[in-house]
Amino acid sequence: AQKVTQAQTEISVVEKEDVTLDCVYETRDTTYYLFWYKQPPSGELVFLIRRNSFDEQNEISGRYSWNFQKSTSSFNFTITASQVVDSAVYFCALSEIGLNNAGNMLTFGGGTRLMVKP
Amino acid sequence: EAQVTQNPRYLITVTGKKLTVTCSQNMNHEYMSWYRQDPGLGLRQIYYSMNVEVTDKGDVPEGYKVSRKEKRNFPLILESPSPNQTSLYFCASRKSWLGGPDTQYFGPGTRLTVL
Repeated sequence: AQKVTQAQTEISVVEKEDVTLDCVYETRDTTYYLFWYKQPPSGELVFLIRRNSFDEQNEISGRYSWNFQKSTSSFNFTITASQVVDSAVYFCALSEIGLNNAGNMLTFGGGTRLMVKP
Repeated sequence: EAQVTQNPRYLITVTGKKLTVTCSQNMNHEYMSWYRQDPGLGLRQIYYSMNVEVTDKGDVPEGYKVSRKEKRNFPLILESPSPNQTSLYFCASRKSWLGGPDTQYFGPGTRLTVL
């Protein structure tokens, strides 16, 4: 069965610091997708990125970057020059492909609460 | 605007008083799902539906019921709520019931407190 672990439950940084949120996953499938979601204090879930298991290129979007390493089953998320508005809970999630997983589309990690102080 | 809506957004109730949380999507998605979010546990799936009249249990279905009579609606029913069902609930939908790249769209969440 698939599993996602976010070992960091809470991280506190000062504005402008860089911060990396760790995500480690387990799956027996060779084809799968990884996601990151952001949950700001208002509570909604905001989709950030999707990555498929065949694409190990790192991705950068503004201050956000993602490092996918299949060899270590990790999909880490880095925020460069953090801002107060980045304060949120961040979830990593895994989606396997195929009929064996028709029901549970996404397996979530426990989330990491990021607090960015001014 | 493509969206998933949930109502109510906030609800405080008492043990044993039946309640329904509605969920509706306007994207003609086949797949809909309910999750609950609890601190340190992330989101856990309660029930899901692959299409109209097709529903099944997720990881934590005890104490919940669902129905899918129309494609757009997927209400969550708590027949006899208990305090351990105090949680933040999310409805979600996606285009297809198969796993893969389709993004799952989430509703805004319903914060339920059972006294």
